[in-house]
Amino acid sequence: DAKTTQPPSMDCAEGRAANLPCNHSTISGNEYVYWYRQIHSQGPQYIIHGLKNNETNEMASLIITEDRKSSTLILPHATLRDTAVYYCIVRDRGSTLGRLYFGRGTQLTVWP
Amino acid sequence: DAEITQSPRHKITETGRQVTLACHQTWNHNNMFWYRQDLGHGLRLIHYSYGVQDTNKGEVSDGYSVSRSNTEDLPLTLESAASSQTSVYFCASSEGGRETQYFGPGTRLLVL
Repeated sequence: DAKTTQPPSMDCAEGRAANLPCNHSTISGNEYVYWYRQIHSQGPQYIIHGLKNNETNEMASLIITEDRKSSTLILPHATLRDTAVYYCIVRDRGSTLGRLYFGRGTQLTVWP
Repeated sequence: DAEITQSPRHKITETGRQVTLACHQTWNHNNMFWYRQDLGHGLRLIHYSYGVQDTNKGEVSDGYSVSRSNTEDLPLTLESAASSQTSVYFCASSEGGRETQYFGPGTRLLVL
């Protein structure tokens, strides 16, 4: 069952910021928002996660709205190597620890 | 460096044959997972394990089995391969109590 909604595709110019939205209107108080990406023919790669505060690491920033019903992953300076499918995942409160449910994700294409 | 590997990377087999896909991780993670990825379905969980001698069924476990005799390995066995099991298979691991999963490079399986 889909817990998140993402646009199927987006594009971005190289060097510009890529802002990938995700809606998770049914998120509960203890659920984290995770972002993974999958470059073609590779395994998914963890990017970042957060609960309610904004988070930043060497790969990206995660902005979560105050009501936690949506979030945005920001790649500050997109490169061609950032072309991938990006998955926004909310950990199912009913699932056992560690299980992740991947939806369809957003295909991000970075063009020169 | 610690890593997670899968073998073989590509496999062609015939219907009815038994096939085993290997997954090996050197992070000493307690949790290990097997997913399959098909067009139109995204990543779906097949089996998972939270430690030695522990195995659990995921959402698409029919026709697959796993065993966990040590921390490092979680082999996936297709008891009698079917054409519907043609897919890309990903193994992942995570540290006990943490939900960030690290994925292997995948195995492409073709069942003729």
